[in-house]
Amino acid sequence: QITLKESGPTLVKPTQTLTLTCTFSGFSLSTSGVAVGWIRQPPGKALEWFALVYGNDVKYYSPSLNNRLTIAKDTSKNQVVLTMANMDPVDTATYYCALRMVPGAFDYWGQGTLVTVSS
Amino acid sequence: QSALTQPPSASGSPGQSVTISCTGTSSDIGTYNYVSWYQQHPGKAPKLMIFEVNKRPSGVPDRFSGSKSGNTASLTVSGLQAEDEADYYCSSHAGNYNWGMFGGGTKLTVL
Repeated sequence: QITLKESGPTLVKPTQTLTLTCTFSGFSLSTSGVAVGWIRQPPGKALEWFALVYGNDVKYYSPSLNNRLTIAKDTSKNQVVLTMANMDPVDTATYYCALRMVPGAFDYWGQGTLVTVSS
Repeated sequence: QSALTQPPSASGSPGQSVTISCTGTSSDIGTYNYVSWYQQHPGKAPKLMIFEVNKRPSGVPDRFSGSKSGNTASLTVSGLQAEDEADYYCSSHAGNYNWGMFGGGTKLTVL
């Protein structure tokens, strides 16, 4: 059974750095073609993809957030860690991690974690 | 790059069919066959319904189908059921600079 779960702070202050962890089970990030990504959704708004890491450690970032993001995998712990610098109230959203096993899609999702940016 | 364009709403009666469009450009939908569709019920995580334009993951009813023509992809839900009422999002690969562009979402109402 494949599961993913996001963890991290629910409240961060403007200008702080957000660190989120995705802990997963039921698959190996070492498998060829498998990736874990991060997607966020502001309240009442659309989904927005912004980071992806493959098992071979190739990483992709959304052009609009590229200079604020770092994604890293820890295969031994079955975790993917995301950091987003210089948080702003507009970054308030539910943050999801998701598994990409099929090409171009996210086939399993975590439950999401709401992060609020406020002073 | 701009998000993919979807109609904000769609509706149909139980048993009817409804089609939701997703318009992109020659840089995304028009070039790549990596179009996917997601269903999201309120307060829940998205669920993959279609990948690679027209493939269904295991467990997704065959009432859901996908297609693509030029720069526009479509999701058709046949035999509408009450539980199909949800938000639907399309997504496409868009080259090396965007590996998961999403549309603005369509709220499907079952009348």
